[in-house]
Amino acid sequence: GENVEQHPSTLSVQEGDSAVIKCTYSDSASNYFPWYKQELGKGPQLIIDIRSNVGEKKDQRIAVTLNKTAKHFSLHITETQPEDSAVYFCAAMVTGGGNKLTFGTGTQLKVEL
Amino acid sequence: DTGVSQDPRHKITKRGQNVTFRCDPISEHNRLYWYRQTLGQGPEFLTYFQNEAQLEKSRLLSDRFSAERPKGSFSTLEIQRTEQGDSAMYLCASSPRTNTGELFFGEGSRLTVL
Repeated sequence: GENVEQHPSTLSVQEGDSAVIKCTYSDSASNYFPWYKQELGKGPQLIIDIRSNVGEKKDQRIAVTLNKTAKHFSLHITETQPEDSAVYFCAAMVTGGGNKLTFGTGTQLKVEL
Repeated sequence: DTGVSQDPRHKITKRGQNVTFRCDPISEHNRLYWYRQTLGQGPEFLTYFQNEAQLEKSRLLSDRFSAERPKGSFSTLEIQRTEQGDSAMYLCASSPRTNTGELFFGEGSRLTVL
């Protein structure tokens, strides 16, 4: 089955700096790669996703890149703000079947003032 | 609020007791998923339904766990004879018929087994 590895497990940045979180996946059939943000005591919320026919996608301060050959994808957050502090999870899926997401182990992002 | 709703949000029980969690998906979403999340880990897939049919179950779902979605709307997840290792956050998610892959998660039901 699919295996998703995520690094780093914790990331501390100064407000205004950029943050980058990286993930690798094992199943070459995976074609959908979402990123979720989870705040304390809440469920994961989708913040951005990318499909395998696209190399990069951007939404305001967040962007995701995908390298299918290397089987890795990354989340980039620019101009970080304190409210960006949360746990971020990457995930991978093969769409069209059960849509079963395999998650990474998460990155605790702390944005310091 | 028309998001995924889960109840109860928190449950504390003694080892050996049975517990049941309920999930109400977003209206018109035909797929419903249960995930389990332990501290410091990402959510792990347990099972999913398309309408009322349970189409896949993870090996994580032991025979003490049972999930139902009798009318293709809300779902229940029951854990019988709870063990301390069952302590976790149980997350429900739903997805629409368009099947784009996007899952919408609820706030979760946190189970503590003493």
